[in-house]
Amino acid sequence: GAGVSQSPRYKVAKRGQDVALRCDPISGHVSLFWYQQALGQGPEFLTYFQNEAQLDKSGLPSDRFFAERPEGSVSTLKIQRTQQEDSAVYLCASSNPPGRRYQETQYFGPGTRLLVL
Amino acid sequence: AQTVTQSQPEMSVQEAETVTLSCTYDTSENNYYLFWYKQPPSRQMILVIRQEAYKQQNATENRFSVNFQKAAKSFSLKISDSQLGDTAMYFCAFMTEEYGNKLVFGAGTILRVKS
Repeated sequence: GAGVSQSPRYKVAKRGQDVALRCDPISGHVSLFWYQQALGQGPEFLTYFQNEAQLDKSGLPSDRFFAERPEGSVSTLKIQRTQQEDSAVYLCASSNPPGRRYQETQYFGPGTRLLVL
Repeated sequence: AQTVTQSQPEMSVQEAETVTLSCTYDTSENNYYLFWYKQPPSRQMILVIRQEAYKQQNATENRFSVNFQKAAKSFSLKISDSQLGDTAMYFCAFMTEEYGNKLVFGAGTILRVKS
């Protein structure tokens, strides 16, 4: 079906505001990933879901970051009390392993560009 | 630590010519996957090519091919017959079983194709 979609595409927040970023993965994809991409840098891993289970959240930079995927499909990344250093593009990717666990290709969404003023 | 190094911040090439982007990585694992992703300006990241570490044969996808040197931990991307649409940021990335399914990315190389 359609590719990975993310909303909103752009978000401007005042420092201290809470934001919620949404990801719709490719239909039927089991695995879902969130990455943070600072300006001019490569993406950095934040967290990983397999179905509704959050299997790895080692990349979340602080307890202000929270992600969920309650029904194993759509995922939301929430950032509480945003800070200027949270300004970045947040990328979502999904994949469906055909067999061996690491035989996956991740398909990326267009990203949400977050600017914290 | 799992790291990826792209030593060329920027590259340029004339249309129709060939260019090679460099990538080295560091891992103690024996089984892993390597990827090149393309990110055009203000557009989403798309997969260019992938390579399984257990395969000796270099992957090719039309005008794109890789030179995979496992012992040297090197994974370069060759683009033949460069086109204006190839202008983008290119990221090298890899994934290992030890680190689960997360991708580890390099800092990227900006490629500009000139007419």
